[in-house]
Amino acid sequence: IQVTQSPSSLSASVGDRVTITCRAGQNLNNYLNWYQQKPGEAPKLLIYGASSLQGGVPSRFSGSGSATDFTLTINSVQPEDVATYYCQQTYSTPYTFGQGTKLEIK
Amino acid sequence: QVQLQESGPGLVKPSQTLSLTCNVSGGSISRGNYYWTWIRQSAGKGLEWIGRIHTGGSTNYNPSLGGRVTISSDSSKNQFSLKLTSVTAADTAVYYCARTLFNLAVDPWGQGTLVTVSS
Repeated sequence: IQVTQSPSSLSASVGDRVTITCRAGQNLNNYLNWYQQKPGEAPKLLIYGASSLQGGVPSRFSGSGSATDFTLTINSVQPEDVATYYCQQTYSTPYTFGQGTKLEIK
Repeated sequence: QVQLQESGPGLVKPSQTLSLTCNVSGGSISRGNYYWTWIRQSAGKGLEWIGRIHTGGSTNYNPSLGGRVTISSDSSKNQFSLKLTSVTAADTAVYYCARTLFNLAVDPWGQGTLVTVSS
């Protein structure tokens, strides 16, 4: 299943609200996860099941959407949010990832 | 708290077999409803799911790897392993081992290990 993320990169100011979109080629039945990868580190789980916040993740991160269209929102971006964000579908194997969205701070 | 650590050669020659091991600490690989998973990341292809082995021993692989993958586990050592045969330069990547949860989200991940395929 192909998943397409947009945009591929974005620049935001501290305190901005940021939205990243993931679109799938078929209905994922909400089997959609979001990860954050900081430079030199492994990806870290942020959101699972489209909208459930993983324990320990700041509440400024949220996920929404259903079927084929999903969104990751960061409310009030912080400097430590500089990273690349990936969506992943786990509706059917082989599980596939989006191409990533690189977030920079202005 | 479960932690994972990859180990293995950082350089493999073309046509040879890439072999990596993931050591799991803080939890047993033979208990619970988990999938022990390999994922790789290259500049050219981004994040690519390689395959997984369930606590019960069943496996799933990515067909794009053309049948070159084998994932196995050793509960006595609390490890699971990846073998990728007939490697080419296209298999150069950072390889991650990870745990896939009952909700099919991947957490946690190992730190990753770079494997370069070159003569």
